[in-house]
Amino acid sequence: KAGVTQTPRYLIKTRGQQVTLSCSPISGHRSVSWYQQTPGQGLQFLFEYFSETQRNKGNFPGRFSGRQFSNSRSEMNVSTLELGDSALYLCASSPETSGRSDEQYFGPGTRLTVT
Amino acid sequence: GDSVTQMEGPVTLSEEAFLTINCTYTATGYPSLFWYVQYPGEGLQLLLKATKADDKGSNKGFEATYRKETTSFHLEKGSVQVSDSAVYFCALTPPGYSSASKIIFGSGTRLSIRP
Repeated sequence: KAGVTQTPRYLIKTRGQQVTLSCSPISGHRSVSWYQQTPGQGLQFLFEYFSETQRNKGNFPGRFSGRQFSNSRSEMNVSTLELGDSALYLCASSPETSGRSDEQYFGPGTRLTVT
Repeated sequence: GDSVTQMEGPVTLSEEAFLTINCTYTATGYPSLFWYVQYPGEGLQLLLKATKADDKGSNKGFEATYRKETTSFHLEKGSVQVSDSAVYFCALTPPGYSSASKIIFGSGTRLSIRP
C-alpha cells in the first residue's frame, strides 16, 4: 500500500506570498492531520480533518488554513508568508482504528523556506 | 499539564552496541505511549506503541515497556546498526483522548551510529 505523499517536497517563497501544500493519505485513511516542525518549537499540531470536516485546529493564526476533499486528499494554505513560517510541514493520516486517530502515518514533508 | 521528557541528544554509539533512549512522561491516569522515528530527509514513522501498563511494544528489533510505576517508556535495542541513525520521538496521548490534536511529542533524540 502506498504511503502518505506530499507535494511539493521543497518550496522557496518570498515574504508576503501565499503557498498551498498538498497531501494524499494512505488509501482508506479518512483522517488527515498537518504539523509544523521547526528546530526550536519541535512538532506543532496545525489541523485535523475527517470526512472533509475540520475536526480540530491548533494554535496558529488565521493565515494558516486547510481543507479536505471527498477523496480524503488534503491541502493546507498559508497566506501572507512570514520568515517564521519557514519549516518542515508534515502531513499524516490515520486508519482511525476503533475511532482513534492518534496512530499517525506521516508523509516525507514539504520543506518551506521563506526569504 | 501532560508532558513528555526525552534524554538530550545526540547519542553516539558504535555498531552492535546496546541502545537505550530514555523517555519519561507526566500524565494523570494511563496515557497511550508511542515511539516514532524520523530518518534523514523523511517524515516520522510509527515505530511502536503501548496503550496500557506493562504492555511491551516491539518492532524492527526495538522494544519499549510501559512502566506506570516509573512513568517511563524507554526505547531499547540489543544491537544497533548504522541504518538506525535517526531522530527518535517519544509521544503520548492523554487518557480519555484519542485524537491527533492531543498527541504530545517529546523534543526528539538524535542517534548516530558509527560503523
